[in-house]
Amino acid sequence: AQRVTQPEKLLSVFKGAPVELKCNYSYSGSPELFWYVQYSRQRLQLLLRHISRESIKGFTADLNKGETSFHLKKPFAQEEDSAMYYCALAGGGNKLTFGTGTQLKVEL
Amino acid sequence: DTGVSQDPRHKITKRGQNVTFRCDPISEHNRLYWYRQTLGQGPEFLTYFQNEAQLEKSRLLSDRFSAERPKGSFSTLEIQRTEQGDSAMYLCASSRSAGTGGTEAFFGQGTRLTVV
Repeated sequence: AQRVTQPEKLLSVFKGAPVELKCNYSYSGSPELFWYVQYSRQRLQLLLRHISRESIKGFTADLNKGETSFHLKKPFAQEEDSAMYYCALAGGGNKLTFGTGTQLKVEL
Repeated sequence: DTGVSQDPRHKITKRGQNVTFRCDPISEHNRLYWYRQTLGQGPEFLTYFQNEAQLEKSRLLSDRFSAERPKGSFSTLEIQRTEQGDSAMYLCASSRSAGTGGTEAFFGQGTRLTVV
């Protein structure tokens, strides 16, 4: 069975500080992993996916198959980064298994 | 096309009543997904369609739940004899299938169901 674990419900950082949102997964096949973000009163939207290896809004995430992790990182947090972040794993049919989410709060 | 749209945005119903939600996907997307999200949890997969065919249903989808996508475009999710435990946000998403370009899932804003 596939599973995604986000150990932190809430992460609070100061503006300008580095951010790391943790995500671990369990999957028997070759994983396809995503980070989705939900800003206040907005719909869930894709932030980045591991196969594109892009940096979006300064965020990056590297797939570590040895540690089965896909942590989301940003070197300098901005106030507008405050949001709910979900790590997700795509299985058959591209259906997504989500973690429970981490609320990121960037304080001034 | 402004993205995936869901209707209604909010629904309050009495226990035991039937409710139906509608999802209009992005027009060129052949896959459509339904998810349910409760407080403090991430979205949980319910079912998905490729065109008009319902290809998979989660064990979360009890026999009181039924979903259709009759013409491969919009979809409906019906819950019969609602229970308080059905209270949740119901999310719809659409995507292209693999091999036809990006498979990113685009989400609607959801329908929040409250069963009283």
